[in-house]
Amino acid sequence: DAGVIQSPRHEVTEMGQEVTLRCKPISGHDYLFWYRQTMMRGLELLIYFNNNVPIDDSGMPEDRFSAKMPNASFSTLKIQPSEPRDSAVYFCASSRSLSLGYTFGSGTRLTVV
Amino acid sequence: QKEVEQDPGPLSVPEGAIVSLNCTYSNSAFQYFMWYRQYSRKGPELLMYTYSSGNKEDGRFTAQVDKSSKYISLFIRDSQPSDSATYLCAASRNQGGKLIFGQGTELSVKP
Repeated sequence: DAGVIQSPRHEVTEMGQEVTLRCKPISGHDYLFWYRQTMMRGLELLIYFNNNVPIDDSGMPEDRFSAKMPNASFSTLKIQPSEPRDSAVYFCASSRSLSLGYTFGSGTRLTVV
Repeated sequence: QKEVEQDPGPLSVPEGAIVSLNCTYSNSAFQYFMWYRQYSRKGPELLMYTYSSGNKEDGRFTAQVDKSSKYISLFIRDSQPSDSATYLCAASRNQGGKLIFGQGTELSVKP
């Protein structure tokens, strides 16, 4: 099992540009989560899906952020337009259950200049 | 107030010391409690998992949950330099509950 796979590992972009982060969850995991980690705020849940359906997006900062899960093996998190305050490490995680442990990917380090 | 509070540290101890990491939480509906370990520039990995109150031991690691005081602890015995990482506590409700993380405590074990 390759674990949760995220791409790219690093992304540097200019303010105003569109950024797309990608995630491939572990096969058989019905839940997929997008987290954002910063020094100031720690690990924050942005959105999570169950069986490809968005369940809770209350953590999405604003309309500039959107997430999709077109099938069980792929999800994207898009930021348009990006701003410097979006700079953070974005993690994708998957799980068989909402209450059990999650398996995290290695994260995408986003820098918006 | 965050639902799960954790002292960010940093915490520095000598090799072989017993380490105590702690969290408090505010939501009495939390039933599942976890500890994650995160090495630098890596994703968090599940270290310990407990349900409701009580202790759970796994090698050098012991997790404790005291629901009466809403207190979560992780003890590391005979700490090693390889234990140097950020430790995050997390909690969720029994059903329909998202996993809520604490801020994380940065631990450094000096040889």
